[in-house]
Amino acid sequence: EIVLTQSPGTLSLTPGERATLSCRASQSVTSRSLAWYQQKPGQAPRLLIYAASSRTTGIPDRFTGSGSGTDFTLTISRLEPEDFAVYYCQQYGGTPPWTFGQGTKVEIK
Amino acid sequence: EVQVVETGGGLIQPGGSLRLSCVASGFIVNRKYMNWVRQAPGKGLEWVSNIYAGGDTYYADSVKGRFTISRDTSRNTLYLQMNSLRAEDTAIYYCASSRGETYDERFFDSWGQGTLVTVSS
Repeated sequence: EIVLTQSPGTLSLTPGERATLSCRASQSVTSRSLAWYQQKPGQAPRLLIYAASSRTTGIPDRFTGSGSGTDFTLTISRLEPEDFAVYYCQQYGGTPPWTFGQGTKVEIK
Repeated sequence: EVQVVETGGGLIQPGGSLRLSCVASGFIVNRKYMNWVRQAPGKGLEWVSNIYAGGDTYYADSVKGRFTISRDTSRNTLYLQMNSLRAEDTAIYYCASSRGETYDERFFDSWGQGTLVTVSS
């Protein structure tokens, strides 16, 4: 089973600042099969990024995914008020289990 | 429009059984990877189980031997039969479908709003 470790656990920033979220895998993620999801309180998760760097439809270009192998990053270039949420990475390569990281909370400073 | 709606959650005693349903619209359930993901109160996301378009099924170690995933194509519905429930199974259970049925489309594209399962005496 691939273990995903996200850091930091909490990121305290102000609107307009840049957010950098890390996701490290315990072994190489097959074919860059890494996704990022956003979850707000009381809501289901929402897909942001798939295949490590592809934005899904409707996601603004301030969200950028990068990385390969065992190290992946989600960058939010300029935080908008609606971006404060919890972010999860997930690997879906190879045979399940398809694991999630423990999440990074982006909160208003 | 692609949509999934979960039902079947509720309060159940330890050791009991419950069956969750996920009704899909806008697509056919046997043409995608269909997944169950859960979230314990105040905790992160945990992948629980999935069924491939071809019918193969997989489970997290935490539920293996107790939970069974299945689908009914005539009802376009995904199920999760949960037996021998434990307090630690208490969570919101989400149904999530992939973008498509190819390897590169396995990420979770559509999510339902979830159904709450509470295991308590």
